[in-house]
Amino acid sequence: AQSVTQLDSQVPVFEEAPVELRCNYSSSVSVYLFWYVQYPNQGLQLLLKYLSGSTLVKGINGFEAEFNKSQTSFHLRKPSVHISDTAEYFCAVTLGNQGGKLIFGQGTELSVKP
Amino acid sequence: DAGITQSPRHKVTETGTPVTLRCHQTENHRYMYWYRQDPGHGLRLIHYSYGVKDTDKGEVSDGYSVSRSKTEDFLLTLESATSSQTSVYFCAISEPKRELGNEQFFGPGTRLTVL
Repeated sequence: AQSVTQLDSQVPVFEEAPVELRCNYSSSVSVYLFWYVQYPNQGLQLLLKYLSGSTLVKGINGFEAEFNKSQTSFHLRKPSVHISDTAEYFCAVTLGNQGGKLIFGQGTELSVKP
Repeated sequence: DAGITQSPRHKVTETGTPVTLRCHQTENHRYMYWYRQDPGHGLRLIHYSYGVKDTDKGEVSDGYSVSRSKTEDFLLTLESATSSQTSVYFCAISEPKRELGNEQFFGPGTRLTVL
């Protein structure tokens, strides 16, 4: 069965430090990959997505992610985080033969401390 | 922001009562989804719809039913609510296109508490 694993449930970092949120997926078919962010008491907002082409994808708020097909990973990075980046981050996959359905990871709670 | 509203935004109900949550969109997107969000589980798909009167089950469909009589509305019904259905429910929409890759847009959520 297809699945998405976010390797860290919580990531505490200090302001202006770099951060990487890890995501691995399992699939034998082509995939589209997404990172969503959820601020407290809000819905999900798209950060970035990989459909095809360049494996380095840039998103909003200075985030970027790199698709690595051989390692089936799609890690999210930011070189310098802000307090306002405190939120929960979800990696998701939609499969080529599954219509519009998304499979989500369990989420990573990013906590940025001053 | 995509035009998606959910109602009610908050609801407290008792075990055994029926509950209906509504999702309304103004984007004319073909696909609509209902998810539930629980700590440690991320978002799990309950049901989805790929057109008017066309629905299918998701990962956690037991105890839930849906209906879609119009493009813009997707209803989620808990026929007899249980405490295990206490959760935050999100509606999402998408219009599958090659350039979007089935990107989904999410509503603000409904917090349901079953006592």
